[in-house]
Amino acid sequence: GAVVSQHPSRVICKSGTSVKIECRSLDFQATTMFWYRQFPKQSLMLMATSNEGSKATYEQGVEKDKFLINHASLTLSTLTVTSAHPEDSSFYICSARDRLGGQGGYGYTFGSGTRLTVV
Amino acid sequence: AQTVTQSQPEMSVQEAETVTLSCTYDTSENNYYLFWYKQPPSRQMILVIRQEAYKQQNATENRFSVNFQKAAKSFSLKISDSQLGDTAMYFCAFMRSAGGTSYGKLTFGQGTILTVHP
Repeated sequence: GAVVSQHPSRVICKSGTSVKIECRSLDFQATTMFWYRQFPKQSLMLMATSNEGSKATYEQGVEKDKFLINHASLTLSTLTVTSAHPEDSSFYICSARDRLGGQGGYGYTFGSGTRLTVV
Repeated sequence: AQTVTQSQPEMSVQEAETVTLSCTYDTSENNYYLFWYKQPPSRQMILVIRQEAYKQQNATENRFSVNFQKAAKSFSLKISDSQLGDTAMYFCAFMRSAGGTSYGKLTFGQGTILTVHP
């Protein structure tokens, strides 16, 4: 089935530095990528939607300049957390929807997530 | 805007028993999709089951089935013959099927932590 590879799985960075998270669709073309943030034992909160070759659409309350999203190809989308601070520590998950709708219909393939810790 | 509500923060069940997780949603749309996702301790999101709103027949996938009540806007998940591997957080999710700015976006419920006891 469809696979989205997300890296790194865990990252610890110092406050003020930037961190890049990559999501690659391995066996399909991801025309749309969704980026979520999840706190422990809580739901997934959509941060932004990106379509290949165009600017990302951010949800209300998400800082565009802090969370930079690039979707330059049909198989790669990246999320860069700029000038990270401890409050940015969270679990970040990407989800791809391919031309056929992912997972054999209207479904989505999720990456395995990235646990970001800012110290 | 659509909302999805899961009113059971935590549930537990004995192995081999049956458990039902509740989900209600609010929408003015007529055409949409509903999903149940499972997130085990590995935190990988896994699709459990999917239901198209235009289909009256309830979806089933092996031990997993749903009770879809469109008029009541209810979408519960029944897990039969529960297994230890079913222990996970379960999320109900909604997606509108028409176009517009929210097309393709999943709206998740708060989640239900299910623990299967041996």
